[in-house]
Amino acid sequence: GQQVMQIPQYQHVQEGEDFTTYCNSSTTLSNIQWYKQRPGGHPVFLIQLVKSGEVKKQKRLTFQFGEAKKNSSLHITATQTTDVGTYFCAGPRSGGSNYKLTFGKGTLLTVNP
Amino acid sequence: DTGVSQDPRHKITKRGQNVTFRCDPISEHNRLYWYRQTLGQGPEFLTYFQNEAQLEKSRLLSDRFSAERPKGSFSTLEIQRTEQGDSAMYLCASSSDTQGYTFGSGTRLTVV
Repeated sequence: GQQVMQIPQYQHVQEGEDFTTYCNSSTTLSNIQWYKQRPGGHPVFLIQLVKSGEVKKQKRLTFQFGEAKKNSSLHITATQTTDVGTYFCAGPRSGGSNYKLTFGKGTLLTVNP
Repeated sequence: DTGVSQDPRHKITKRGQNVTFRCDPISEHNRLYWYRQTLGQGPEFLTYFQNEAQLEKSRLLSDRFSAERPKGSFSTLEIQRTEQGDSAMYLCASSSDTQGYTFGSGTRLTVV
């Protein structure tokens, strides 16, 4: 079955440092979605990328979708304590249901003030 | 609309008992999903509905699990004869055609 892998599993940074998490799927994805889950909270939708090679920015967050539509990355510039949480990527398998998402295990980001 | 609502927030049950969870999605969303999440893992797909039709069910879901969405509105997830391995956070989400999921706050199940 489809597998979605994320690295690193954990990342601890000093406030102000940059952070990047990487996502790789075993199958081609029709789109990639990113979610953030604060400690004790539920996943919250951040963004969806659809096109091969697409890059989107949300303030200090930059999201990329790979050319082969099998990998993605999330980069945070100048982290803040409000960025703490687990970041998940998720995607539907290309050719499968567009609505059933397979999630990675996530990257837990902690930020030292 | 205040988002996706789940009830109860917490449930402690004895092994072998049946439990039922409820999810009220965002009213404009026609798709509803159930996921399960354990500590340190990402959400794991259980099943999803488009309106009242259950379109897909995970092979991981045993016959003890059943979900319904009568009239395409709220949904229920029932677990019969609970086992300790069923302890997890059960997340409900809804979506429309074009954007990602909106998750509820989840129901945390503890089987003792």
